[in-house]
Parts: sequence; structure tokens; C-alpha cells
Amino acid sequence: GAGVSQSPSNKVTEKGKDVELRCDPISGHTALYWYRQSLGQGLEFLIYFQGNSAPDKSGLPSDRFSAERTGGSVSTLTIQRTQQEDSAVYLCASSSTGTPRETQYFGPGTRLLVL
Amino acid sequence: AQTVTQSQPEMSVQEAETVTLSCTYDTSESDYYLFWYKQPPSRQMILVIRQEAYKQQNATENRFSVNFQKAAKSFSLKISDSQLGDAAMYFCAYRSAELSYGKLTFGQGTILTVHP
Repeated sequence: GAGVSQSPSNKVTEKGKDVELRCDPISGHTALYWYRQSLGQGLEFLIYFQGNSAPDKSGLPSDRFSAERTGGSVSTLTIQRTQQEDSAVYLCASSSTGTPRETQYFGPGTRLLVL
Repeated sequence: AQTVTQSQPEMSVQEAETVTLSCTYDTSESDYYLFWYKQPPSRQMILVIRQEAYKQQNATENRFSVNFQKAAKSFSLKISDSQLGDAAMYFCAYRSAELSYGKLTFGQGTILTVHP
């Protein structure tokens, strides 16, 4: 596609429910990143994918968070048993091969509100 | 671990005037990249400018320029001839050149208001 897309744009859920957030990277990009933007923690790295593998999951805040990537393209971030502190904007970015020199292109994010 | 600090939560500027946003960072690495990203209300993060640490020359992109002081670990963004469309949240970000991938570390952000 022309850019990184994310869905849904906004998600409201009840505490304790599971949610899935989707990211479609730019076609052909092998590197994919998830970041979280919250009032308390600012903008923080969650996970990095190279192809379908996740060499760096160090930013996932708890074992309630998981992510996968299939076919080297679409990625899904899953939050189980959501808590109010999970409320944030979840941003996805992709780059061509993942080297530090490359520009990362961001999607518009998913705003998650946990009631 | 690297940290990025933006000490100005909010800044304002008159249209057509110049404004400077501050950023400092802490790292023990010698090779890295620094970025300024703009995030308008649409939430879409847009790359404004990048600086490679091994380059002494300050990066410039049209009305946007940086003052990169490597020894002081300072990386400020100057916006000249400010326009209403410059109003946004601005993030300073660091990326190590020693990793094999491009993980970004962000500052807390500065909200820029442009007054007509």
C-alpha cells in the first residue's frame, strides 16, 4: 500500500476484555515496529519484527501483551485481560530492511481506551 | 541505556517568527542518529529532520534546521518563518547505529502552538 495503515482507528473496551490491534506495513518492508504512546510513559518501544521473527520483544510491558506477524506483512498486537493503564495510542512503523540508517514510516495509530 | 529529554512541555510562537525546541540526550555510544518527528492531531508521525552523529555539519530541511552539539549531547530544532501548519507535538528521538535495527528512543515531546 501507499503507507502504513492501522486498524481500528479507535477502540473502546471494558477492563478484562482482550483486544487485537492490526498493522499493515508498507508493501515490501521487512522491518516492523510497535510503539506505545501514553500520558504517563510517553512514547516507548514495544517490539521489533524482522520478517516473521521478533528479535527484540524487550519493550512489551507484561505477559498480557503479545504480537505476531504473518507472511512477513501484517502484524497483530494482542492485549489480554486489558487494564485501564493499557489506555494509550499504539503506533506501528515499518522500514525497508530495518537498518538504523533507514527512515521509519509510521501509521496513524490505534487509540485504545479501557473503561 | 539511552535517554532523551525534552525540557519544554509547551512552546508558542507567532506566525512568521522563529522558535527553537530543545533536546538533550544521554548515551555512551559514539555513532548514532538523531531525529525530530512532528505529530499533528491526526496522530501521524512525520519525520522532520535527521542528523547523523558522525557528521559535524548541522542538517537543514527548508525552514527546519538543527543545532547539533555532540560534546554537549544537545540537539535543538529551529523552525524559521513559522506557519500555522507547524502547530503539532514535536518529538526528539535517538537511534543507535550499533544495533542491527532501528529501534527509536523518544523524548517526552513538546507541544508547539503557532499564533496568527
